[in-house]
Amino acid sequence: QKEVEQNSGPLSVPEGAIASLNCTYSDRGSQSFFWYRQYSGKSPELIMSIYSNGDKEDGRFTAQLNKASQYVSLLIRDSQPSDSATYLCAPDYGNNRLAFGKGNQVVVIP
Amino acid sequence: EPEVTQTPSHQVTQMGQEVILRCVPISNHLYFYWYRQILGQKVEFLVSFYNNEISEKSEIFDDQFSVERPDGSNFTLKIRSTKLEDSAMYFCAGGDMQNNEQFFGPGTRLTVL
Repeated sequence: QKEVEQNSGPLSVPEGAIASLNCTYSDRGSQSFFWYRQYSGKSPELIMSIYSNGDKEDGRFTAQLNKASQYVSLLIRDSQPSDSATYLCAPDYGNNRLAFGKGNQVVVIP
Repeated sequence: EPEVTQTPSHQVTQMGQEVILRCVPISNHLYFYWYRQILGQKVEFLVSFYNNEISEKSEIFDDQFSVERPDGSNFTLKIRSTKLEDSAMYFCAGGDMQNNEQFFGPGTRLTVL
């Protein structure tokens, strides 16, 4: 069974702070990794993609990938109340088949 | 910016009835997908579709499910005989070949009574 594990939440952060989200995955063959944001009752929205080891920054978001440790993380800098959502880790488990974790709920406190 | 659209936004049906969920993907996308999310649970892959045929399907996608791209724009998911446990949000997604990114539509909430 191919698993995607995201550490339990919710994660409460004060406005302006850094939110750190972690994800581990079981399929060593995964080459593409995605972070989606999902507001309650809405569909997943792609916010970051990462394909090689190291860091990738896009605005206030930084994704980090370590394939040897089968670990991918997301940092949200200068957290805003609009960042309050569930963040879904989704490795590509082959043939463009995304495997989603249960998600990390982030609550940004003004 | 082009978006994936889905209709209807909410479908209520009786157990045993057939439903067709519709999606209009972004025009330059070549890969199409259906995912579902049961309330409070994770998003689950159902099926991927490329070049007018299924490229991969999950164990959830059994004989009661089918997909079709009847014309150049629509992509449909048919559930032949709905069960109570089919109640979920169904998301259509699309992507191109370049970087495996998938973009989701707003979803159809299916309620089976």
